[in-house]
Amino acid sequence: EPEVTQTPSHQVTQMGQEVILRCVPISNHLYFYWYRQILGQKVEFLVSFYNNEISEKSEIFDDQFSVERPDGSNFTLKIRSTKLEDSAMYFCASSAWFLNSPLHFGNGTRLTVT
Amino acid sequence: AQTVTQSQPEMSVQEAETVTLSCTYDTSENNYYLFWYKQPPSRQMILVIRQEAYKQQNATENRFSVNFQKAAKSFSLKISDSQLGDTAMYFCAFMKRNMEYGNKLVFGAGTILRVKS
Repeated sequence: EPEVTQTPSHQVTQMGQEVILRCVPISNHLYFYWYRQILGQKVEFLVSFYNNEISEKSEIFDDQFSVERPDGSNFTLKIRSTKLEDSAMYFCASSAWFLNSPLHFGNGTRLTVT
Repeated sequence: AQTVTQSQPEMSVQEAETVTLSCTYDTSENNYYLFWYKQPPSRQMILVIRQEAYKQQNATENRFSVNFQKAAKSFSLKISDSQLGDTAMYFCAFMKRNMEYGNKLVFGAGTILRVKS
């Protein structure tokens, strides 16, 4: 079964540094998402992306964050200047074109900001 | 805005027994979808089961079934014949029908289920 892949599985960075989290969604999916899960807390929506632009974003997704689909396969999340509170598990997800298409999640990238 | 509430932070069940996880949600939408996702210690998010709000029949997937009560806005998950591999965090999630914005999920806080041998 096709799956969403995320790299790296664990990223450690220093406060103030830029990080790029990478995702390869399922190939025939059209909608792409990033979610965040701070340790011990609920999974929170960050952003959705469709037709090469952001379709919706949460209040968490401020100017520090950006997303990009640089080619036909990758979907990236960039955090410009990381803060300690950005430490979390970041999940990429994708879904197909039809209305009840469930989200398929990657295994996540654990980001640790020191 | 939609909210999803899971009132049981943790639950335990003996292997081979049945357990029910609760979920309630709040929405003014009439067309929507509900999901249960499983997150084992590996932290991967795995789809367990889904329910379309317009369907009265409760969804089932092998040992997993739901009790969907639309009027009560309740969506519980029943796991029959519990197995050790069912030990995980279980998230209830709501999705609004929205072709323009994609299928955004709103998650509950999760219930940790521990299956004991």
